[in-house]
Amino acid sequence: DAGITQSPRHKVTETGTPVTLRCHQTENHRYMYWYRQDPGHGLRLIHYSYGVKDTDKGEVSDGYSVSRSKTEDFLLTLESATSSQTSVYFCAISEKDSSYEQYFGPGTRLTVT
Amino acid sequence: GENVEQHPSTLSVQEGDSAVIKCTYSDSASNYFPWYKQELGKGPQLIIDIRSNVGEKKDQRIAVTLNKTAKHFSLHITETQPEDSAVYFCAASTGNTPLVFGKGTRLSVIA
Repeated sequence: DAGITQSPRHKVTETGTPVTLRCHQTENHRYMYWYRQDPGHGLRLIHYSYGVKDTDKGEVSDGYSVSRSKTEDFLLTLESATSSQTSVYFCAISEKDSSYEQYFGPGTRLTVT
Repeated sequence: GENVEQHPSTLSVQEGDSAVIKCTYSDSASNYFPWYKQELGKGPQLIIDIRSNVGEKKDQRIAVTLNKTAKHFSLHITETQPEDSAVYFCAASTGNTPLVFGKGTRLSVIA
């Protein structure tokens, strides 16, 4: 298995609180991605990074920000969590661009009450 | 942008039968089409992919076909086994743009 960890694995938080999810890789892959998975919607891209300090928005980026200060870490922040952000969040990595295999982490289940 | 439609959303087959999942895409510039399998409680995992310069690719019991003219591609699983039960996602990309995933198909193989 690719060396990808996500923390925390489960989190319950209240509406309006800030939340940060962490993705850590040991593969030295250039690209990192954050997806959310919801029933009936499949996997939707939130943000992605193509290098240290290089990030771009995905399909559902509103309400989320990201940072990548080191190759191995990609942080996803919900500045003020809302109930609509209750979801399972997956981090993925790939060696090169989106025409190469993506390796997914185990996921973080976030519940916003 | 790219839009990927996947059908059916659920599929039940008897063990040993074949399963077919179909996807259509909208961007004619897309040239990379992977399929991911997601088991319960885990992240998706690539099982097979195809690029636009070929029409079919096989890997043991799994095959993918691509029709660029019609802009659709399909996953074929033969001799299904209980361990094939999972959610399957198709996706498409131009390489310069992020992958866009279909909504997924939940496959149940009944023993």
